[in-house]
This record gives sequence, C-alpha cells and structure tokens, in this order.
Amino acid sequence: NAGVTQTPKFQVLKTGQSMTLQCAQDMNHEYMSWYRQDPGMGLRLIHYSVGAGITDQGEVPNGYNVSRSTTEDFPLRLLSAAPSQTSVYFCASSQDSNNYGYTFGSGTRLTVV
Amino acid sequence: AQSVTQLDSQVPVFEEAPVELRCNYSSSVSVYLFWYVQYPNQGLQLLLKYLSGSTLVESINGFEAEFNKSQTSFHLRKPSVHISDTAEYFCAVTLNTGFQKLVFGTGTRLLVSP
Repeated sequence: NAGVTQTPKFQVLKTGQSMTLQCAQDMNHEYMSWYRQDPGMGLRLIHYSVGAGITDQGEVPNGYNVSRSTTEDFPLRLLSAAPSQTSVYFCASSQDSNNYGYTFGSGTRLTVV
Repeated sequence: AQSVTQLDSQVPVFEEAPVELRCNYSSSVSVYLFWYVQYPNQGLQLLLKYLSGSTLVESINGFEAEFNKSQTSFHLRKPSVHISDTAEYFCAVTLNTGFQKLVFGTGTRLLVSP
C-alpha cells in the first residue's frame, strides 16, 4: 500500500518557469490538500479538494492552480515560478470525516532561483 | 476561524528526562485536535488525536496529550524521552462540524541530547 506519493522529491526552477507537482493516493480518500512548509511558519494550506471535480482555495492560493479530475490524483501547478515559492510542498489526503487524520506524502523540495 | 499557537519553537532536553510541548488553540465552536510528528527529511505522521470522550489520549510510543477545554490547550507530554524522539512536532486543529480544513501551529523542534 503506497499511501500518498509525491513527485518529484527535489526541483530547481528558474524564475518564470512553470511546473506541476504530482500527488497520487491509493486509499480512495475523498479529501486531498496541498500545504507549503516554511521555517517558523508551520504548514499553510494552499488548495484543497473534497472530491473529484471539486477544489477550493486555502490560506495561500496565489500563484498556484489545482484540478481534481480523478479521486486518486491532485496535481499542483505553478504557472510562473517566483523566488517566494521556494518551499517544501506536502500533499495530504484523508477520509471525508476528518476523524481519521491525514496521510502525508514525503514532500517536494522546490527552489526557485 | 480556528487557530493554533505553539509558543516554543525549540525545546532542548536530555535523554530520559520528561518533556512537555505546549499547544493552545482558539475556536468558538467544538474542535478536533491532533499532534503530528515530522522526522528529518520526512513527511508528517499522525501521533495522536482527540475527537471526543476521554480527555487524555495516548500514542503507541509513550506520548500523551490532554485536552483541556477551559484552558483551550492540548499539551503533549512524555515522561522519559529517547534520542529517537528528536523531531519537529506540530499541533493541529479542525472544527468538528462537517468537512473542515486542518490548521497547523508553527511547530516545536524537540532536541534530545545524551
């Protein structure tokens, strides 16, 4: 059972480049989310989805797009990378009740130069 | 909206000493509370959770946390820490009505030395 899989693990981008961070889960979880982790700021919610075809903004959505065409996949797109997006990105999923807690991926460390 | 405060950014302790990591939350309605642990270069793992019932919850590796509604706290404790407990610990809260977002504190780094 793979859980939540994130790719790539590391990425370096130049300012203005675009890329997609991939996230896939095999637990049939309805709820998926993207967080960014920055020193001293904890984890901040970027976007989340409560099911296929449904997404919504979190605390820090600017500069990021998401879509949820299937239950399994929840990719995060950076359309024009900026140095302020240098961070560690985590994808997480949970069953829809919140009672079970979240399962996190191992993260993507992104550097924008 | 709910929020979480972890006042201690770093807690250094010696091996086999007790430790308490503090967490306070703010919410006008009932909440679920969680502690997550992040070992170096890894994702977060659920350590324990409070949903309802007994206010004292325990994890399989000796940590416990007590929900105190009057003080809006959910402090994490362990009577005797090991070197392997060195990690960052995050407190998190979500509302217990419907489908709610999980809000994290800024984290506390526990440093256990011999």
